[in-house]
Amino acid sequence: KNQVEQSPQSLIILEGKNCTLQCNYTVSPFSNLRWYKQDTGRGPVSLTIMTFSENTKSNGRYTATLDADTKQSSLHITASQLSDSASYICVVRAGGSYIPTFGRGTSLIVHP
Amino acid sequence: GAGVSQSPSNKVTEKGKDVELRCDPISGHTALYWYRQSLGQGLEFLIYFQGNSAPDKSGLPSDRFSAERTGGSVSTLTIQRTQQEDSAVYLCASSFRTSGGAVEQFFGPGTRLTVL
Repeated sequence: KNQVEQSPQSLIILEGKNCTLQCNYTVSPFSNLRWYKQDTGRGPVSLTIMTFSENTKSNGRYTATLDADTKQSSLHITASQLSDSASYICVVRAGGSYIPTFGRGTSLIVHP
Repeated sequence: GAGVSQSPSNKVTEKGKDVELRCDPISGHTALYWYRQSLGQGLEFLIYFQGNSAPDKSGLPSDRFSAERTGGSVSTLTIQRTQQEDSAVYLCASSFRTSGGAVEQFFGPGTRLTVL
């Protein structure tokens, strides 16, 4: 069964600090992995997409990594801002499937 | 508007009543998904529409749930005889045609359904 596990479930950090969110998956065959940001009361918005051949991809202060061998991904947020407070969702799609598998998300709170 | 829109944004109903949730996808997007997001849970796939093909209804939790997509655009999710466990945020997403590739789904803001 395809599964996506995220950790930690929640995280509180001070503004300006860095943090790293983790995603482990058992989706097979692997096609791609996306990180979404979901603000409260809004729909998820894509931050990055990782395919099998990619190890690292950055989008501003967000950097995603992928280790396809260990089936792990991380999302690193640098110099956090209050606006980074949101839920971050890891989503993995299997090859040939149009239905992605969603993690439960990590709730990030950035305090001033 | 350029994004996916959903209505209503909030819906409070009594147990046993029927509800209809609406989704307007991005123009030109042929794929449309409905998901359910319960508190503390990941998004749960409900149904998928692709062009004029028969929809994939494999995620619908019971026969009280149904959805249609008229003219390949607007979609309506209907829940009959609502139960308290139906309370959740219902999200709609659209994309260009996908066959398992790296096509991005664009999400609407969701409808928060509360069944009393």
